[in-house]
Amino acid sequence: EVQLVQSGAEVKKPGESLKISCQGSGYSFSSYWMGWVRQKPGKGLEWMGIIYPGDSDSRYSPSVQGQVSFSADKSINTAYLQWRSLKASDTAMYYCARRGYEKLDAYDVWGQGTMVTVSS
Amino acid sequence: QSALTQPPSASGSPGQSVTISCTGTSSDVGGYNYVSWFQQHPGKAPKLLIYEVTKRPSGVPDRFSGSKSGNTASLTVSGLQAADEADYYCGSYGGSNNLVFGGGTKLTVL
Repeated sequence: EVQLVQSGAEVKKPGESLKISCQGSGYSFSSYWMGWVRQKPGKGLEWMGIIYPGDSDSRYSPSVQGQVSFSADKSINTAYLQWRSLKASDTAMYYCARRGYEKLDAYDVWGQGTMVTVSS
Repeated sequence: QSALTQPPSASGSPGQSVTISCTGTSSDVGGYNYVSWFQQHPGKAPKLLIYEVTKRPSGVPDRFSGSKSGNTASLTVSGLQAADEADYYCGSYGGSNNLVFGGGTKLTVL
């Protein structure tokens, strides 16, 4: 079974750092682009960017460029989303989503989401 | 890139059909045949319904169909069922491996 399993919920203070994870299984992890999607409470989906685990090539949405970083460890089939200094406005549910092989719009497998709460 | 434009809400009675629109620009929806649709039930992760404008992943009922004309894509849900009540999002490729989502449409089954 193809699946993505994300790390658990986090509660952090402003200014703290954080790294959340997304582990894939049941497919060739290195060969599929992995996207990250943010959903703030009560709001819609926002595409943050994408990483190719095979070589860590990444693209960032202008809205998050410089605020977050993507990484991947293909030896353990895991992608990461990292913040160096969290803000209250980073409070959201974060999803990883696999992009279908050679399909530019088909995010076909989603993780269960990681809720990040940033509050003093 | 700006979010694609969707109506905030749509509704229909069981058995009826409803169509949700998604308007972008020539830089996204109009420029590529890469428009997808996602269904999200409360508290759940999104689910891919349609990709490449008209294609359905295996397991998605053919009651869900997609189309596109110019800068506007549409999702039609036929034979509405109570389980179709959810939020629906369109997504479009915008070049350089980017994706842009619509603001979402809340579908109510009356």
